[in-house]
This record gives sequence, structure tokens and C-alpha cells, in this order.
Amino acid sequence: AQSVSQHNHHVILSEAASLELGCNYSYGGTVNLFWYVQYPGQHLQLLLKYFSGDPLVKGIKGFEAEFIKSKFSFNLRKPSVQWSDTAEYFCAVNARNAGNNRKLIWGLGTSLAVNP
Amino acid sequence: DGGITQSPKYLFRKEGQNVTLSCEQNLNHDAMYWYRQDPGQGLRLIYYSQIVNDFQKGDIAEGYSVSREKKESFPLTVTSAQKNPTAFYLCASSIDARRGYTFGSGTRLTVV
Repeated sequence: AQSVSQHNHHVILSEAASLELGCNYSYGGTVNLFWYVQYPGQHLQLLLKYFSGDPLVKGIKGFEAEFIKSKFSFNLRKPSVQWSDTAEYFCAVNARNAGNNRKLIWGLGTSLAVNP
Repeated sequence: DGGITQSPKYLFRKEGQNVTLSCEQNLNHDAMYWYRQDPGQGLRLIYYSQIVNDFQKGDIAEGYSVSREKKESFPLTVTSAQKNPTAFYLCASSIDARRGYTFGSGTRLTVV
């Protein structure tokens, strides 16, 4: 079965530090990849997504993610975090040709706390 | 503005009572989903519906029921059979799962 693994459950950074959150998935076929963010007390919002083409995807608020097919990875990055980036981050995958391609498979999430 | 409305935001119920959570969307999306979010457990799929009058069980459907009589609406009933119903419930919709989901703001259910 397809699965998504987020390596870090809790990350604590100081403002201006660089961020990289890991995401790996297990599916050998074609995938669509997503990062969602949930700010405290708010709903999940799409941060960025990959369909095809350039494996380096730019999202909102200065975030980017790189799809590395050979590593089955889609890591999220930001060069310099701000206190307002404190949130929970979820990686999700849609396996296009799998039997359950009608839904997203979710990682468990990474809680990021940025200290001012 | 188009979006998903979940109501109420907070809900309290006594143990043993059924409770229905509302989810309405005006995005003209065919697919709708219900998730449960617990600390450290991510998003767990309860039920989903790809089209009106059709729905499928997700990973943790026991103790829950849904209906999809209208495209815009996908209510979730938490029954007394659900052993641990206190949680944050999220509704989502999509025009196509390959394009991702749009989420509602959630309902926090507390059973006492």
C-alpha cells in the first residue's frame, strides 16, 4: 500500500534559520505531490504542489519543494523562517494510477515552532 | 466567495448521544471527504464521496455514518458506537484528487 513518511515530528528553529522538512513516499508510479500548512487555529491550506515538469516547485510565503524521483522524496524548504511560519506541515501524495487514486495519502505531519 | 463551511466550530455532547456535523461547499466539487485529526496521528480518513448518492468507507469508518443526498452537502454523524469521539473533524472537497483538496475550518467535538 502507498504510504507517506515525514521524518521530523517536531522541529524548533530560531528566526532566520533555514528550514528543510523531509517527505518520502512509497509508490513507484506517477505521483502528484502536495504540501499543506495548518496555522494555529486555522484550516489546512495548500502551500505548493507538484504535477509534472520542473521538479523544483515554488509555493506561497517563500516556500519551495524539490521532487527527487530517484529518492521518492519531496522535501520542503525555506531559506529563512519567520515566527509566523509556526504551524503544522503535512505532506500528501496522490498516486495517479493506483487503485485508490481518488484520494490523497497523508503523512503524519511536522510541527514547526519558530522562536523570535 | 467559494469555499467549504463546517458548522458548528465547537460542539459538546453527552456520551451516548449521536451528533451530526455539517459540511457544505459551494465550489461545485464532486468529491467530498471527512477526516479526523488527533495530535500526533495526522489526518485519518473516515468517509469519502466521489459523487451524489455514493460514498465509501475510509480507514476509520467504524462508529460513523454519512449521507450524500446533495452535491453541496456531506454531513457526518458520530454515533454512540464510536468509542473515542472527542476529536477535531475536518471536511474537504476536490474537483479531482489529483489537484488536491480544499478544506473547511473544522469542528472540534468534545464528548463528556
